[in-house]
Amino acid sequence: AQSVTQLGSHVSVSEGALVLLRCNYSSSVPPYLFWYVQYPNQGLQLLLKYTTGATLVKGINGFEAEFKKSETSFHLTKPSAHMSDAAEYFCAVRGNSGYSTLTFGKGTMLLVSP
Amino acid sequence: EPEVTQTPSHQVTQMGQEVILRCVPISNHLYFYWYRQILGQKVEFLVSFYNNEISEKSEIFDDQFSVERPDGSNFTLKIRSTKLEDSAMYFCASSQGDRGTDTQYFGPGTRLTVL
Repeated sequence: AQSVTQLGSHVSVSEGALVLLRCNYSSSVPPYLFWYVQYPNQGLQLLLKYTTGATLVKGINGFEAEFKKSETSFHLTKPSAHMSDAAEYFCAVRGNSGYSTLTFGKGTMLLVSP
Repeated sequence: EPEVTQTPSHQVTQMGQEVILRCVPISNHLYFYWYRQILGQKVEFLVSFYNNEISEKSEIFDDQFSVERPDGSNFTLKIRSTKLEDSAMYFCASSQGDRGTDTQYFGPGTRLTVL
């Protein structure tokens, strides 16, 4: 069984500040990990994903995430927030056992103030 | 850039009525999915579909739900007799393959409100 926990339903930052969105997972098999972003009235858009190899993964819009197996974490970061980053962010896990199901966290709403 | 589209964006229905939610997946994708998100809760997997058959389904996907690919472009989710607890945002997604590394591309969702 797989599960994802996202700490904080809302995170507020100032423009230019560091963004840190937390994600912890549990999985009985080595996981594939994903971050999706949802802008208002739009679908879920893939930001980045970890499958194998380098544990620091870079995505679109300056975001990156680091897979830490020992901590079962996949936190999302961005050095400097922009107003346009305001959106809801979802962490998801998928097993590599051949099943197609994505298991999502509850999402974190990122609020960016000027 | 190709995208998944969904219609309608918002559907309001009376309890007990049938609804059909429509999706047009990305044209060269072979795997199709429905997820839902009840307000304030997690996005939950409902069903995956490949080669005109359901390949996986969750416990949520009971007999009142069905999926269909009626033609070469549309993928539909039917709820036979809606309940109040079916009120949610329903997301359609598609992917080229079903390996763990294959990205699922999501549509903008249909907000279903059951009164």
